[in-house]
Amino acid sequence: DTEVTQTPKHLVMGMTNKKSLKCEQHMGHRAMYWYKQKAKKPPELMFVYSYEKLSINESVPSRFSPECPNSSLLNLHLHALQPEDSALYLCASSHVPGGQQETQYFGPGTRLLVL
Amino acid sequence: AQSVAQPEDQVNVAEGNPLTVKCTYSVSGNPYLFWYVQYPNRGLQFLLKYITGDNLVKGSYGFEAEFNKSQTSFHLKKPSALVSDSALYFCAVRDITKYGGSQGNLIFGKGTKLSVKP
Repeated sequence: DTEVTQTPKHLVMGMTNKKSLKCEQHMGHRAMYWYKQKAKKPPELMFVYSYEKLSINESVPSRFSPECPNSSLLNLHLHALQPEDSALYLCASSHVPGGQQETQYFGPGTRLLVL
Repeated sequence: AQSVAQPEDQVNVAEGNPLTVKCTYSVSGNPYLFWYVQYPNRGLQFLLKYITGDNLVKGSYGFEAEFNKSQTSFHLKKPSALVSDSALYFCAVRDITKYGGSQGNLIFGKGTKLSVKP
């Protein structure tokens, strides 16, 4: 089973709202990732968690706040977003952090619209 | 810096014909290369990867890719295209330079839209 799940599938929020995106995997993977994908563009890395600790932050604005409560869950907390933050947010996981040969498995994404 | 290039924005193929989606890479050290497919409004699905060994890599849904070190290419191929193969295809390389190879994040090409007509 190589399934990564994400909720919600769609989210519409105002610029003053606070919302959270959730990601879950039960493959025993110890690396989890958040990517942002604009329409017709490749995914861009935002954050990497290795063994539940934040290991990479690709200079993401503080209005995006990641959290990894345990080895199966990854959250992305959103606050005071801008319309340009509207995108598809993808979660991914891989077996071994730092494993160069490891495959990243992606969830279906959350499509976010900021009004 | 590690990078991949997908020179074609779109590839059009008739159903039943062979298809090729091109990818070239630029890496320092050993290349770790991946192909993913993305259907409309969906996440990315892993197709195949090259780590080492045989230059012809077989993957999901009948796809295969040929690693060519001299041409620094990793083209995706399928002998007989299906209409259902129509999607966006991404080539990716493992970034082993930015964080010293310790994190293994992916760098994606811009993507190639494959359109298979009946």
